[in-house]
Amino acid sequence: EAEVAQSPRYKITEKSQAVAFWCDPISGHATLYWYRQILGQGPELLVQFQDESVVDDSQLPKDRFSAERLKGVDSTLKIQPAELGDSAMYLCASSQGTDSYNSPLHFGNGTRLTVT
Amino acid sequence: TQLLEQSPQFLSIQEGENLTVYCNSSSVFSSLQWYRQEPGEGPVLLVTVVTGGEVKKLKRLTFQFGDARKDSSLHITAAQPGDTGLYLCAGARVYSNYQLIWGAGTKLIIKP
Repeated sequence: EAEVAQSPRYKITEKSQAVAFWCDPISGHATLYWYRQILGQGPELLVQFQDESVVDDSQLPKDRFSAERLKGVDSTLKIQPAELGDSAMYLCASSQGTDSYNSPLHFGNGTRLTVT
Repeated sequence: TQLLEQSPQFLSIQEGENLTVYCNSSSVFSSLQWYRQEPGEGPVLLVTVVTGGEVKKLKRLTFQFGDARKDSSLHITAAQPGDTGLYLCAGARVYSNYQLIWGAGTKLIIKP
């Protein structure tokens, strides 16, 4: 079964440094999501793409976070500068469409970020 | 404000016991999904319920959507260690373009 690929699996960085995460969704999936999950909590949507366009980034801290999906396929999420509070699991998910019933989300295994 | 409240937050029981976890809200959802997440992995969809009062079964797991589509429950019969994980519910709201609203999850541990 096709999977959502994410890298790296783990990242340790010092505060004030830049960090980037990469996601390759399931082929043909037009919608791509970046979520942040703090230990013991549910996922929090950071940004949603439909093809190469951002459709929701209302919860993205734009002073330090940026996301792009230039060709409508893979995506990169960047944090600069990283802060201690950014330590979390960053999950990427993809779906064929935007209707969660007919287009369920498929998640990658995430990137565990630790900021020291 | 947590729009979807999951309870209990944590549950540890012996293998073979039955359990029920809950997902409650004051909001109406067009559909509600249950996911299971194992440590170090992403959530995996278990089921989607759409109709008020709907009941779906997945082997030993029974999912129910409330009549008013504001709440849901997950019942596990004869729990097994392989059921261990974080159970998340997520509701889709029609008037927010079907954006998923996530609960904080129930961490379930089944002891052999």
